[in-house]
Amino acid sequence: AQSVAQPEDQVNVAEGNPLTVKCTYSVSGNPYLFWYVQYPNRGLQFLLKYITGDNLVKGSYGFEAEFNKSQTSFHLKKPSALVSDSALYFCAVRDKGGYQKVTFGTGTKLQVIP
Amino acid sequence: NAGVMQNPRHLVRRRGQEARLRCSPMKGHSHVYWYRQLPEEGLKFMVYLQKENIIDESGMPKERFSAEFPKEGPSILRIQQVVRGDSAAYFCASSPGGGDADTQYFGPGTRLTVL
Repeated sequence: AQSVAQPEDQVNVAEGNPLTVKCTYSVSGNPYLFWYVQYPNRGLQFLLKYITGDNLVKGSYGFEAEFNKSQTSFHLKKPSALVSDSALYFCAVRDKGGYQKVTFGTGTKLQVIP
Repeated sequence: NAGVMQNPRHLVRRRGQEARLRCSPMKGHSHVYWYRQLPEEGLKFMVYLQKENIIDESGMPKERFSAEFPKEGPSILRIQQVVRGDSAAYFCASSPGGGDADTQYFGPGTRLTVL
């Protein structure tokens, strides 16, 4: 069985500061990992994904994420937070060995304070 | 290229009525997924469909819920005899299929309210 954990319900960061949203995962094989963002009353928007290769993945809106196999983590990062980054962020995982069912985390609310 | 489309965006039903939620995948996408999101909760997988086939319905309640993705037309999530606990946002996602790391692209959701 595969699972993903987002240990923080909410993260607060001052505008201009770096931000990190944490994600850890569990799969039986090798993972595909995804980050999505959800703005209020909207659907999820794809940010980035890790398939293979370079552990640092760059995505939309200046976000990046680092795959760490030994720590089974895929934390989302951005060097300088914007107020417009305030939203709900979801991490997701899929086992490479499986078909296309993706498991989502419970989400982390990011609040960027002006 | 239009994104994933869902309609209606908002749906109000009384207990016991039927709810039909529609999803049109992105052009060229043949895989559709349905998820449910309850307030303050994450996304819960419900069902995964390809054209005319249900691939995985392990997340869908055994009673009152059904889904289809016909050869022509949108995918339909049908909830019969709705109850208040069915109130939630229902999201559809689609992917091209055929690749292991297909990204799922989400529609704007249908917010179902059961009175």
